Amino acid sequence: QQPVQSPQAVILREGEDAVINCSSSKALYSVHWYRQKHGEAPVFLMILLKGGEQKGHEKISASFNEKKQQSSLYLTASQLSYSGTYFCGTERLVRRGGSEKLVFGKGTKLTVNP
Amino acid sequence: EAGVAQSPRYKIIEKRQSVAFWCNPISGHATLYWYQQILGQGPKLLIQFQNNGVVDDSQLPKDRFSAERLKGVDSTLKIQPAKLEDSAVYLCASSGGTSIRTDTQYFGPGTRLTVL
Repeated sequence: QQPVQSPQAVILREGEDAVINCSSSKALYSVHWYRQKHGEAPVFLMILLKGGEQKGHEKISASFNEKKQQSSLYLTASQLSYSGTYFCGTERLVRRGGSEKLVFGKGTKLTVNP
Repeated sequence: EAGVAQSPRYKIIEKRQSVAFWCNPISGHATLYWYQQILGQGPKLLIQFQNNGVVDDSQLPKDRFSAERLKGVDSTLKIQPAKLEDSAVYLCASSGGTSIRTDTQYFGPGTRLTVL
């Protein structure tokens, strides 16, 4: 089951904040965030685990609400370098012995203008 | 540390032709993934290897796609015969361990396939 990301796209001015959401209809064990610039490979940002703490570094942080099966990515005081498409990948809680795999959302395109 | 290498970077073929992609993961990485990314979509897992064994290939269209990872290092993904809907970027990723909960996946630059 593919997670749903919102918004689909957002345009900011440098210095503004943004929140990107990722929701699943299934119980999750972990949520992974990646950023992909046009024509480049996705780059890992962070992993949030069930029962884990909110993660963050510098001006990018994320949270995981286990009850709502929802994760949010927070971008504070955005920089031009933050432009790209942000993907969340979700890992469902599976039966014992089941394989762990990520299902990615369709992405949120973030554009930061000067 | 060298990243994940993929070749070719671009490939254009006619439908019904065959094509193969190659991936060299980061040295020492046990787990290798192949993803398909259609324009405007997130990556979709096709197959996951742990060393040279298949962990998950549930979303691999086995009637036309095949993959192997000989000796637990390099991997090749083949499509035979290709269809128009196979046009996508094929991403290879690798991770050092065997759990996605603790091990970052490092992606290669991808191979952009166009099927005409």
